[in-house]
Amino acid sequence: NAGVTQTPKFQVLKTGQSMTLQCAQDMNHNSMYWYRQDPGMGLRLIYYSASEGTTDKGEVPNGYNVSRLNKREFSLRLESAAPSQTSVYFCASSEVADNYGYTFGSGTRLTVV
Amino acid sequence: LAKTTQPISMDSYEGQEVNITCSHNNIATNDYITWYQQFPSQGPRFIIQGYKTKVTNEVASLFIPADRKSSTLSLPRVSLSDTAVYYCLVGDLGNAGKSTFGDGTTLTVKP
Repeated sequence: NAGVTQTPKFQVLKTGQSMTLQCAQDMNHNSMYWYRQDPGMGLRLIYYSASEGTTDKGEVPNGYNVSRLNKREFSLRLESAAPSQTSVYFCASSEVADNYGYTFGSGTRLTVV
Repeated sequence: LAKTTQPISMDSYEGQEVNITCSHNNIATNDYITWYQQFPSQGPRFIIQGYKTKVTNEVASLFIPADRKSSTLSLPRVSLSDTAVYYCLVGDLGNAGKSTFGDGTTLTVKP
């Protein structure tokens, strides 16, 4: 089983460029999440989708947009990348909208120069 | 949001029991406590979750006192492969997005 798959694994952007991070899960989970992790720090929630068709802001949503394309896929878009968005981005899913047993992807390492 | 505080780092030796404590003084009535493990260049992995008293699974135990203002993750007989960052997460089940990860505890197991 693949679990949670994130693409790409690495990306370098120039300031002002846009890109979309893709996330897909094959566990039939209802809820999906996007986190960012800066060096030496914990994870901060950017956006989440409690169920298909819904999205909500997390702790640090500014500069990002999300789309819950279907039950399996949840994308994160940076419209105009800034150096402050250099981070590792993790997608996660859970069976229902709770904190039990998140399954995380392996992350996307993004550098904005 | 329940803020969590953990020690920044801990050292141990192979075969020892390790206890990592997390403080969460403003935990709410409906909040559960969940611990995750993270290796370098990987996403966090669920270890254990509890509400009160003691929970045990095949890899760890979680001790939660009656006032629930702290919790202790206990790893029995650690090995080198347990070297990782451990995160305590406090949140309300069924209320997605309302919990926060702390900065984690870096556990280093030495031979």
